[in-house]
Amino acid sequence: DTAVSQTPKYLVTQMGNDKSIKCEQNLGHDTMYWYKQDSKKFLKIMFSYNNKELIINETVPNRFSPKSPDKAHLNLHINSLELGDSAVYFCASSASFRDPRGGYTFGSGTRLTVV
Amino acid sequence: GQNIDQPTEMTATEGAIVQINCTYQTSGFNGLFWYQQHAGEAPTFLSYNVLDGLEEKGRFSSFLSRSKGYSYLLLKELQMKDSASYLCAVYILTGGGNKLTFGTGTQLKVEL
Repeated sequence: DTAVSQTPKYLVTQMGNDKSIKCEQNLGHDTMYWYKQDSKKFLKIMFSYNNKELIINETVPNRFSPKSPDKAHLNLHINSLELGDSAVYFCASSASFRDPRGGYTFGSGTRLTVV
Repeated sequence: GQNIDQPTEMTATEGAIVQINCTYQTSGFNGLFWYQQHAGEAPTFLSYNVLDGLEEKGRFSSFLSRSKGYSYLLLKELQMKDSASYLCAVYILTGGGNKLTFGTGTQLKVEL
Protein backbone atom coordinates (compact mmCIF):
# COMPACT_ATOMS: atom_id res chain seq x y z
CA ASP A 1 0.00 0.00 0.00
CA THR A 2 1.58 3.29 -1.13
CA ALA A 3 2.03 5.74 1.75
CA VAL A 4 1.79 8.95 -0.30
CA SER A 5 0.26 8.53 -3.73
CA GLN A 6 -0.19 11.21 -6.34
CA THR A 7 -1.81 11.16 -9.75
CA PRO A 8 -1.13 11.48 -12.54
CA LYS A 9 2.52 10.47 -12.80
CA TYR A 10 2.94 12.28 -16.12
CA LEU A 11 1.02 15.24 -17.46
CA VAL A 12 1.61 16.87 -20.85
CA THR A 13 -0.57 19.84 -21.68
CA GLN A 14 -0.68 23.01 -23.72
CA MET A 15 -0.04 26.52 -22.48
CA GLY A 16 -3.15 28.20 -21.15
CA ASN A 17 -4.84 24.99 -20.01
CA ASP A 18 -5.99 24.26 -16.46
CA LYS A 19 -4.91 21.04 -14.78
CA SER A 20 -5.09 19.30 -11.40
CA ILE A 21 -2.79 16.95 -9.52
CA LYS A 22 -4.19 14.80 -6.73
CA CYS A 23 -2.42 13.57 -3.61
CA GLU A 24 -3.50 11.17 -0.89
CA GLN A 25 -1.65 9.85 2.16
CA ASN A 26 -2.62 6.84 4.27
CA LEU A 27 -0.10 7.44 7.07
CA GLY A 28 -2.49 9.29 9.34
CA HIS A 29 -0.29 12.38 9.13
CA ASP A 30 -1.63 15.81 10.01
CA THR A 31 0.47 17.89 7.62
CA MET A 32 0.81 17.79 3.84
CA TYR A 33 2.96 19.74 1.41
CA TRP A 34 3.51 20.54 -2.23
CA TYR A 35 7.06 20.91 -3.51
CA LYS A 36 8.28 21.85 -6.99
CA GLN A 37 11.52 20.41 -8.39
CA ASP A 38 12.87 22.31 -11.36
CA SER A 39 15.17 21.19 -14.15
CA LYS A 40 18.22 21.81 -11.96
CA LYS A 41 16.76 19.40 -9.38
CA PHE A 42 16.19 22.18 -6.83
CA LEU A 43 13.32 21.16 -4.53
CA LYS A 44 11.33 24.16 -3.30
CA ILE A 45 8.32 24.24 -0.99
CA MET A 46 5.13 25.74 -2.40
CA PHE A 47 2.40 25.09 0.17
CA SER A 48 1.84 23.43 3.50
CA TYR A 49 -1.48 22.38 5.04
CA ASN A 50 -2.07 21.22 8.59
CA ASN A 51 -5.37 19.49 9.25
CA LYS A 52 -6.93 21.06 6.15
CA GLU A 53 -5.69 24.56 7.01
CA LEU A 54 -3.17 26.46 4.91
CA ILE A 55 -0.09 27.30 6.99
CA ILE A 56 2.56 28.08 4.38
CA ASN A 57 2.20 29.78 1.00
CA GLU A 58 5.63 30.47 -0.42
CA THR A 59 4.85 33.41 -2.71
CA VAL A 60 3.48 31.09 -5.35
CA PRO A 61 1.49 32.76 -8.19
CA ASN A 62 -2.21 32.67 -7.49
CA ARG A 63 -2.69 30.55 -10.62
CA PHE A 64 -1.78 27.72 -8.22
CA SER A 65 -4.59 26.84 -5.85
CA PRO A 66 -4.23 24.00 -3.36
CA LYS A 67 -7.27 22.38 -1.83
CA SER A 68 -7.46 20.04 1.14
CA PRO A 69 -10.89 18.42 1.52
CA ASP A 70 -9.62 16.42 4.51
CA LYS A 71 -6.28 15.86 6.19
CA ALA A 72 -5.50 12.83 4.04
CA HIS A 73 -5.83 14.69 0.73
CA LEU A 74 -4.13 17.70 -0.78
CA ASN A 75 -4.81 18.55 -4.39
CA LEU A 76 -3.14 21.16 -6.56
CA HIS A 77 -5.00 23.01 -9.29
CA ILE A 78 -3.09 25.11 -11.78
CA ASN A 79 -4.81 27.66 -14.01
CA SER A 80 -3.53 29.16 -17.25
CA LEU A 81 -0.45 26.94 -17.43
CA GLU A 82 2.80 28.55 -18.57
CA LEU A 83 5.98 27.04 -20.00
CA GLY A 84 7.81 27.86 -16.76
CA ASP A 85 5.43 25.62 -14.82
CA SER A 86 7.11 22.58 -16.36
CA ALA A 87 8.68 20.69 -13.46
CA VAL A 88 8.21 17.69 -11.22
CA TYR A 89 5.69 18.33 -8.46
CA PHE A 90 6.04 16.31 -5.27
CA CYS A 91 3.45 15.87 -2.60
CA ALA A 92 4.70 15.04 0.90
CA SER A 93 3.34 14.50 4.37
CA SER A 94 4.62 14.58 7.94
CA ALA A 95 3.16 13.55 11.27
CA SER A 96 3.10 17.11 12.54
CA PHE A 97 4.45 20.42 11.32
CA ARG A 98 5.68 21.12 14.88
CA ASP A 99 7.77 17.95 15.25
CA PRO A 100 10.16 17.16 12.43
CA ARG A 101 11.66 13.97 13.80
CA GLY A 102 9.88 11.55 11.49
CA GLY A 103 10.84 13.54 8.42
CA TYR A 104 8.69 14.03 5.39
CA THR A 105 7.39 11.16 3.26
CA PHE A 106 7.26 12.04 -0.41
CA GLY A 107 5.02 10.82 -3.18
CA SER A 108 6.55 9.58 -6.42
CA GLY A 109 6.07 12.89 -8.20
CA THR A 110 4.10 14.25 -11.14
CA ARG A 111 6.15 15.30 -14.15
CA LEU A 112 4.32 18.23 -15.72
CA THR A 113 5.33 19.31 -19.21
CA VAL A 114 3.75 22.42 -20.70
CA VAL A 115 4.12 22.74 -24.47
CA GLY B 1 17.15 34.45 4.26
CA GLN B 2 18.41 30.91 4.04
CA ASN B 3 21.48 29.60 2.32
CA ILE B 4 22.33 25.91 2.01
CA ASP B 5 25.45 24.87 0.12
CA GLN B 6 26.64 21.46 -0.98
CA PRO B 7 28.90 20.29 -3.82
CA THR B 8 27.14 19.74 -7.11
CA GLU B 9 28.80 16.47 -8.04
CA MET B 10 31.08 13.83 -6.53
CA THR B 11 32.54 10.62 -7.86
CA ALA B 12 33.75 7.68 -5.77
CA THR B 13 34.78 4.06 -6.20
CA GLU B 14 32.74 1.03 -5.21
CA GLY B 15 33.76 -0.16 -1.74
CA ALA B 16 35.23 3.20 -0.76
CA ILE B 17 34.04 5.85 1.71
CA VAL B 18 32.68 9.22 0.64
CA GLN B 19 31.80 12.31 2.67
CA ILE B 20 29.27 14.82 1.36
CA ASN B 21 29.43 18.20 3.07
CA CYS B 22 26.69 20.72 3.64
CA THR B 23 26.96 24.21 5.07
CA TYR B 24 24.00 26.35 5.98
CA GLN B 25 23.16 29.86 7.14
CA THR B 26 19.63 30.23 8.38
CA SER B 27 17.53 31.59 11.18
CA GLY B 28 15.07 29.44 13.09
CA PHE B 29 17.17 26.28 12.65
CA ASN B 30 15.51 23.22 14.18
CA GLY B 31 17.33 20.27 12.69
CA LEU B 32 19.04 18.97 9.58
CA PHE B 33 17.93 16.16 7.30
CA TRP B 34 19.61 14.13 4.60
CA TYR B 35 17.55 12.63 1.80
CA GLN B 36 18.51 10.30 -1.05
CA GLN B 37 16.91 10.72 -4.45
CA HIS B 38 17.42 8.30 -7.33
CA ALA B 39 16.75 9.64 -10.82
CA GLY B 40 13.03 9.83 -11.53
CA GLU B 41 12.07 8.84 -7.99
CA ALA B 42 10.91 10.47 -4.77
CA PRO B 43 13.37 11.68 -2.14
CA THR B 44 13.67 9.16 0.69
CA PHE B 45 14.62 9.96 4.28
CA LEU B 46 18.13 8.99 5.38
CA SER B 47 18.88 10.81 8.62
CA TYR B 48 17.94 13.59 11.01
CA ASN B 49 20.26 15.52 13.34
CA VAL B 50 19.15 18.18 15.76
CA LEU B 51 21.96 17.96 18.34
CA ASP B 52 25.68 18.21 17.66
CA GLY B 53 27.41 14.95 16.97
CA LEU B 54 27.34 11.86 14.87
CA GLU B 55 24.31 9.67 14.13
CA GLU B 56 25.10 6.26 12.69
CA LYS B 57 22.68 4.06 10.78
CA GLY B 58 24.25 1.10 9.07
CA ARG B 59 26.53 2.19 6.23
CA PHE B 60 25.33 5.79 6.53
CA SER B 61 26.32 8.31 9.20
CA SER B 62 25.45 11.98 9.54
CA PHE B 63 27.23 14.64 11.55
CA LEU B 64 26.07 18.05 12.71
CA SER B 65 27.84 21.08 14.18
CA ARG B 66 25.26 23.77 14.92
CA SER B 67 27.86 26.35 15.94
CA LYS B 68 29.62 25.98 12.58
CA GLY B 69 26.50 25.60 10.47
CA TYR B 70 27.95 22.40 9.06
CA SER B 71 26.87 18.85 8.43
CA TYR B 72 28.18 15.90 6.51
CA LEU B 73 26.82 12.59 5.29
CA LEU B 74 29.28 9.71 5.36
CA LEU B 75 28.67 6.69 3.16
CA LYS B 76 30.80 3.60 3.78
CA GLU B 77 31.37 0.48 1.68
CA LEU B 78 29.93 2.21 -1.35
CA GLN B 79 27.73 0.18 -3.66
CA MET B 80 26.68 0.93 -7.22
CA LYS B 81 23.12 1.44 -6.02
CA ASP B 82 24.32 4.40 -3.92
CA SER B 83 24.62 6.43 -7.13
CA ALA B 84 21.98 9.07 -6.53
CA SER B 85 21.44 12.69 -5.55
CA TYR B 86 21.89 13.46 -1.84
CA LEU B 87 19.88 16.38 -0.54
CA CYS B 88 20.74 18.34 2.57
CA ALA B 89 17.69 20.03 4.10
CA VAL B 90 17.26 22.26 7.14
CA TYR B 91 14.10 22.36 9.21
CA ILE B 92 13.20 25.93 9.95
CA LEU B 93 10.85 27.32 12.55
CA THR B 94 8.91 30.27 11.17
CA GLY B 95 6.05 32.32 12.51
CA GLY B 96 3.79 31.07 9.78
CA GLY B 97 4.69 27.42 9.87
CA ASN B 98 7.68 25.15 10.08
CA LYS B 99 9.20 23.96 6.84
CA LEU B 100 11.91 21.80 5.32
CA THR B 101 14.18 23.81 3.02
CA PHE B 102 16.45 21.90 0.66
CA GLY B 103 19.89 22.53 -0.77
CA THR B 104 20.49 21.92 -4.46
CA GLY B 105 21.70 18.37 -3.92
CA THR B 106 24.95 16.50 -4.57
CA GLN B 107 24.93 14.06 -7.46
CA LEU B 108 27.06 11.07 -6.40
CA LYS B 109 28.38 8.69 -9.02
CA VAL B 110 29.81 5.37 -7.82
CA GLU B 111 32.20 3.74 -10.27
CA LEU B 112 33.79 0.29 -10.44
